[in-house]
Amino acid sequence: AQSVTQLGSHVSVSEGALVLLRCNYSSSVPPYLFWYVQYPNQGLQLLLKYTTGATLVKGINGFEAEFKKSETSFHLTKPSAHMSDAAEYFCAVSGGGGGSNYKLTFGKGTLLTVNP
Amino acid sequence: ETGVTQTPRHLVMGMTNKKSLKCEQHLGHNAMYWYKQSAKKPLELMFVYSLEERVENNSVPSRFSPECPNSSHLFLHLHTLQPEDSALYLCASSQVTSGGGYEQYFGPGTRLTVT
Repeated sequence: AQSVTQLGSHVSVSEGALVLLRCNYSSSVPPYLFWYVQYPNQGLQLLLKYTTGATLVKGINGFEAEFKKSETSFHLTKPSAHMSDAAEYFCAVSGGGGGSNYKLTFGKGTLLTVNP
Repeated sequence: ETGVTQTPRHLVMGMTNKKSLKCEQHLGHNAMYWYKQSAKKPLELMFVYSLEERVENNSVPSRFSPECPNSSHLFLHLHTLQPEDSALYLCASSQVTSGGGYEQYFGPGTRLTVT
């Protein structure tokens, strides 16, 4: 079984400050990992994904995440927060093959607020 | 139209009504999903269709009835709902292969209010 833990249901940063959203996963197979963003009253939009290869993954809107197998983590960062980054962020994991590889297991989400 | 579309965007229905939610994907994917998103609760996977066959039904009450007539369209038929069914209903699609791990693309959701 797979699971995702997002540490901190609410993170608040000042505009221009570093954004760090934490995600730890549990998986019995090599994981594929994703970060999604959801703006109010909208669906989820893919920010970035890790499948294989380079462990530092760059996504849209200046976000990046690093896969650390030894720490079972996939934290999301952005060097400088913008007001437009205020949204809810979801980390998700899926299996690398076979079985229920069509499924994504989502974390509970982290609400990011950006203060002027 | 591009991506995944959902109609209607907002729906208010009484507990005795029958309504349907529609989802259409324009991405050529072979799998489609219904999720329920309630306030303060994690995203709940309701149904999965892969190659037009239902492959997952996560103990969803029978008042929710999915239909997948082809790989591009997905419906969620609603009848005799309860107030606790009020939520954002999200549709998603993905391309599933033996390799797995492909991202899902989401529609904007239908905000359902049951009165």
